[in-house]
Amino acid sequence: QQQVKQSPQSLIVQKGGISIINCAYENTAFDYFPWYQQFPGKGPALLIAIRPDVSEKKEGRFTISFNKSAKQFSLHIMDSQPGDSATYFCAASIRNTGKLIFGQGTTLQVKP
Amino acid sequence: NAGVTQTPKFQVLKTGQSMTLQCAQDMNHNSMYWYRQDPGMGLRLIYYSASEGTTDKGEVPNGYNVSRLNKREFSLRLESAAPSQTSVYFCATLAGGHHYNEQFFGPGTRLTVL
Repeated sequence: QQQVKQSPQSLIVQKGGISIINCAYENTAFDYFPWYQQFPGKGPALLIAIRPDVSEKKEGRFTISFNKSAKQFSLHIMDSQPGDSATYFCAASIRNTGKLIFGQGTTLQVKP
Repeated sequence: NAGVTQTPKFQVLKTGQSMTLQCAQDMNHNSMYWYRQDPGMGLRLIYYSASEGTTDKGEVPNGYNVSRLNKREFSLRLESAAPSQTSVYFCATLAGGHHYNEQFFGPGTRLTVL
């Protein structure tokens, strides 16, 4: 069964702190690992993504760390800001299909 | 450019009623997807269409049908709504078929079945 497990379900961080969200997958047929950010009442939007041949990708304050052997990947948000408060979803794309399997989501609250 | 649009934004149905959720895109993308989002379960794929004229089942297709009317439009139909179909429904598009590309999501339709 193709699954992506995400933790924690919810996260509270102080402004300026580091937010870390973890995901683990079971299927080796995944070939692309995006993170989506969703604000209340809106559709998800791509935040950052990584391919399995890369161990880390950084875009501004957002970094994906990828461990292929452990089948785990994580999102780090440095210097977290109240505007980062949202729900974050990790996902994995099934090779050659474009279909995404999503994690359960993490609700992040950054306190001022 | 409007991107991905969905209608209606909100809908309340009674059990057994039918309805069609509409999705349209002006991004000239080939692939289109329908997801449902439920608390604690992330987004789950209902149906997708790799190109005009083709459709395939996703993870949770039971109780739904789809039509890829043309390249721009992909509709989702509930023939006999059930309370278990209460959810937020998202349409998404993907450029260039099945490659490492971003999926673009619409704003969602919030459906309640009583």
